[in-house]
Amino acid sequence: DTGVSQDPRHKITKRGQNVTFRCDPISEHNRLYWYRQTLGQGPEFLTYFQNEAQLEKSRLLSDRFSAERPKGSFSTLEIQRTEQGDSAMYLCASSLRRMIDLRSAEAFFGQGTRLTVV
Amino acid sequence: AQSVTQLDSQVPVFEEAPVELRCNYSSSVSVYLFWYVQYPNQGLQLLLKYLSGSTLVESINGFEAEFNKSQTSFHLRKPSVHISDTAEYFCAVTTSNFGNEKLTFGTGTRLTIIP
Repeated sequence: DTGVSQDPRHKITKRGQNVTFRCDPISEHNRLYWYRQTLGQGPEFLTYFQNEAQLEKSRLLSDRFSAERPKGSFSTLEIQRTEQGDSAMYLCASSLRRMIDLRSAEAFFGQGTRLTVV
Repeated sequence: AQSVTQLDSQVPVFEEAPVELRCNYSSSVSVYLFWYVQYPNQGLQLLLKYLSGSTLVESINGFEAEFNKSQTSFHLRKPSVHISDTAEYFCAVTTSNFGNEKLTFGTGTRLTIIP
């Protein structure tokens, strides 16, 4: 396993269309995160999963956004009725949380999906 | 809640000169601290991290950072930069209370190396 992979790397869509992104985490990792990064800003947390359970969602995640991790492995992030303000880099990260292992505090990032809404 | 401040949005430095990228954080609980590097059109790569133990941490490519709890800082330094260090650098924090590893990032510092 070479790391976190995201697909597609780039997506251009027309305003109002739906888009779906996929993230494949490092295989044994139980936690998966989605972040959004706009131009000139640091990444901002959107949501995270422990296995298949979605445990936290940011206020940034409007009703048009939905994320799933159905079998506790890969995850999808769907944006419905896209708006120009949704244009950003969407980053996925994963980590392996072990309560007794401090090293599990490290998240590994994919290369991101760059969304452009025209 | 925690926050991260990177005061310098851009830092130009001559090749082979030293550099310091500043990072200050705010948190009411104990934290883990990270520096990530992002090359153009790429995702984030972990540069170094402070989890516990020695307050001075080093990366394999010559960067180092020192955790200073009293000043709530985690500045990144390199004694001699190379052209290949041109990138955006993000400082990030997460709490060490065995909750999730949700990271709070600073706004980034763009390091430009001048030949």
